[in-house]
Amino acid sequence: GAVVSQHPSWVICKSGTSVKIECRSLDFQATTMFWYRQFPKQSLMLMATSNEGSKATYEQGVEKDKFLINHASLTLSTLTVTSAHPEDSSFYICSAYSPTGSKNIQYFGAGTRLSVL
Amino acid sequence: DAKTTQPTSMDCAEGRAANLPCNHSTISGNEYVYWYRQIHSQGPQYIIHGLKNNETNEMASLIITEDRKSSTLILPHATLRDTAVYYCIVLNNAGNMLTFGGGTRLMVKP
Repeated sequence: GAVVSQHPSWVICKSGTSVKIECRSLDFQATTMFWYRQFPKQSLMLMATSNEGSKATYEQGVEKDKFLINHASLTLSTLTVTSAHPEDSSFYICSAYSPTGSKNIQYFGAGTRLSVL
Repeated sequence: DAKTTQPTSMDCAEGRAANLPCNHSTISGNEYVYWYRQIHSQGPQYIIHGLKNNETNEMASLIITEDRKSSTLILPHATLRDTAVYYCIVLNNAGNMLTFGGGTRLMVKP
């Protein structure tokens, strides 16, 4: 299957700082990438849909000014958590959509565990 | 997209077949059934998907009932590494937004 690389795998930061997470599709071009958040013992919740060259579409309740998404190329999307606070501590996961042939499959990164002190 | 219902958890003995059920009684004609799994602290992994015919790949088999209102994911010889949360998701092939429910927590035991 297609490979999606996410970096860093974990990060610890102080409250008030910003953290950038990168998501790369390594062997395919992804016009659309997705960002999810997962709290302990809960399922994945979609945060936003990132389209190359245009503004991201955010799900209801997700602050676009706090979670900045940039999708500047067909292989890279970034999520920046600005002014992070302890309640932003979570597991952040990206995925990329690879519409190869008749398939409609999302491939996921390994996730980034963010701990805000 | 249609919603799905899965048991919260299941156990399976190592080496035996794991059969994970999913109900999707409101599925419409152009919606596919997708299965993903998430091993602890990792991103989800695509397993298999199908429309109405049974499907098999190197990871699993997908059995979809004739009325398409339910399906079963079969892991033919479960190993300890198959312990994960398994998500059944119904998706229109024109769409690409996955909505994750609670999934089934499969515990493979020695």
